[in-house]
Amino acid sequence: DGGITQSPKYLFRKEGQNVTLSCEQNLNHDAMYWYRQDPGQGLRLIYYSQIVNDFQKGDIAEGYSVSREKKESFPLTVTSAQKNPTAFYLCASSIAAANYEQYFGPGTRLTVT
Amino acid sequence: DAKTTQPNSMESNEEEPVHLPCNHSTISGTDYIHWYRQLPSQGPEYVIHGLTSNVNNRMASLAIAEDRKSSTLILHRATLRDAAVYYCTLNFGNEKLTFGTGTRLTIIP
Repeated sequence: DGGITQSPKYLFRKEGQNVTLSCEQNLNHDAMYWYRQDPGQGLRLIYYSQIVNDFQKGDIAEGYSVSREKKESFPLTVTSAQKNPTAFYLCASSIAAANYEQYFGPGTRLTVT
Repeated sequence: DAKTTQPNSMESNEEEPVHLPCNHSTISGTDYIHWYRQLPSQGPEYVIHGLTSNVNNRMASLAIAEDRKSSTLILHRATLRDAAVYYCTLNFGNEKLTFGTGTRLTIIP
């Protein structure tokens, strides 16, 4: 089955530690995205990538980093510089960046204490 | 950046049509209107999108006002499985979507 996988579903970390969230897609999509969702809120774009080895900051990139070394993978690192890292993180992909539907993964709920 | 405005919540009876409104008065000529929905603790699911003409698919219909400053997502016969948060978003700059807080739709059996 084609789709997007995110792992793990739940992740717990201590404050001050970096943590990397996994996102893999087998849809052969060029574009990939990372969003953050806080309780009762909409999604906010962290980073997106339109093609391998290229990515752009979204609306809330501070304290996060990404890489896009392979078409199918777009990992997100939440660094210790992110002041409020506890949130629900969603990865998505689309055929291309422009006007195509985005397919979302199941999300990773990160809790930092 | 163009923004969207939606009611925070709506209720509808099961098996009746639902009309979910969205205002986007600052939409630009090249912005597409996208609708997604999200069930609790899941990723959003694409519903429909359009530019100027009304659109239909197996899930819903999208009615776009002639001036494009508003749109309406139509679920023709609501079921309990349609209970979700519905997001109206605009795709501007051909690069990214911006999600607001959406409309929480409750279906009454």
